[in-house]
Amino acid sequence: QKEVEQNSGPLSVPEGAIASLNCTYSDRVSQSFFWYRQYSGKSPELIMSIYSNGDKEDGRFTAQLNKASQYVSLLIRDSQPSDSATYLCAVNLWGGYQKVTFGTGTKLQVIP
Amino acid sequence: EPEVTQTPSHQVTQMGQEVILRCVPISNHLYFYWYRQILGQKVEFLVSFYNNEISEKSEIFDDQFSVERPDGSNFTLKIRSTKLEDSAMYFCASRDSPGTGEETQYFGPGTRLLVL
Repeated sequence: QKEVEQNSGPLSVPEGAIASLNCTYSDRVSQSFFWYRQYSGKSPELIMSIYSNGDKEDGRFTAQLNKASQYVSLLIRDSQPSDSATYLCAVNLWGGYQKVTFGTGTKLQVIP
Repeated sequence: EPEVTQTPSHQVTQMGQEVILRCVPISNHLYFYWYRQILGQKVEFLVSFYNNEISEKSEIFDDQFSVERPDGSNFTLKIRSTKLEDSAMYFCASRDSPGTGEETQYFGPGTRLLVL
């Protein structure tokens, strides 16, 4: 069973639209959740972190966490062509200083 | 803004050779990590390091791999005898201590290793 699961995409949205990226995780003791953006050939870049149920907003980005459903999502409002990248969902399964487990990523294409 | 740095950016080596990948974590961070990403695949955890010892390692991190913090700033990953399947992008990451409310791991730019 995969620990962190994402739809690989590509997810295509027109410029200015809302992009919705989803992620599920298998381990209920997961405590910390992250969305990273990765451009081709580059390292993961943190977009959002979320630790509590509910929504967390930062500019055009909103992360949503539902621990009961083991589900975390990322909404990108007013999508821009520069948002085109692979978005990695990452979960700290045990909390503390332990490893982060990544999903395979969802490729987002924002069409001008 | 503080950042994790890695050297070299690219490394080409012959199968069976030893390579050392270097990282300078963010200065006040205490936890260090190595991850790798084979082309087209997901980012995979290799090892975590705290207080001068390995705190966790994955199945990938076998006897051919070792990590070291030789001084107060560098954190290295050594692959003793490289295999073709070690070709990947290797990322170093670091994070602050618990209790600060900041649990994010910050990633370096990566070293692209190609084993021929």
